[in-house]
Amino acid sequence: EAGVAQSPRYKIIEKRQSVAFWCNPISGHATLYWYQQILGQGPKLLIQFQNNGVVDDSQLPKDRFSAERLKGVDSTLKIQPAKLEDSAVYLCASSETRSVTGEQFFGPGTRLTVL
Amino acid sequence: AQSVSQHNHHVILSEAASLELGCNYSYGGTVNLFWYVQYPGQHLQLLLKYFSGDPLVKGIKGFEAEFIKSKFSFNLRKPSVQWSDTAEYFCAVNGGGYQKVTFGIGTKLQVIP
Repeated sequence: EAGVAQSPRYKIIEKRQSVAFWCNPISGHATLYWYQQILGQGPKLLIQFQNNGVVDDSQLPKDRFSAERLKGVDSTLKIQPAKLEDSAVYLCASSETRSVTGEQFFGPGTRLTVL
Repeated sequence: AQSVSQHNHHVILSEAASLELGCNYSYGGTVNLFWYVQYPGQHLQLLLKYFSGDPLVKGIKGFEAEFIKSKFSFNLRKPSVQWSDTAEYFCAVNGGGYQKVTFGIGTKLQVIP
């Protein structure tokens, strides 16, 4: 079974530039998550999709972050403009909606460095 | 709101030593509890989970965790660690609908041969 795919794996940009990350979840997984993991901290949920609808984006800085999941499969997360404090690993995860345990499967992450 | 507290941020053990990592959560309703592990250079993966039934849960690689509802705890244990257990361990809780998960800050375990 193929896992969650993310690209790029690494990205270095200057502050005020824009950047986009891509995620392809496990086939058939209806729920998709984007997390931000700052060095030394645990993953923090940014946004959660159920198919192509947003069910939780309470911790997404909406003035600069946006995300979409067209057709309920792939998803992109965008930051515009980036700030120094956005340097982090951005993780994508997916899960089966029918799973009562909520187990999530994670991708390798994109490490973003903002200079 | 749900929250997770991990007490040990960095643990160093010798091989064959016993391991216990503390995890406490805060949530008023029914919860699912998880331990995820991230080995060096690899992505997060599930170690074990609790959602109902026997509060003593066994996971991969000899790990186990005990859910103590009265203490809001879900501590991770292993009787004898190996060098290959060197990793970062995250406790997580899922309460309420839509499977929102809150992670703890993580514990870095270093096992010395």
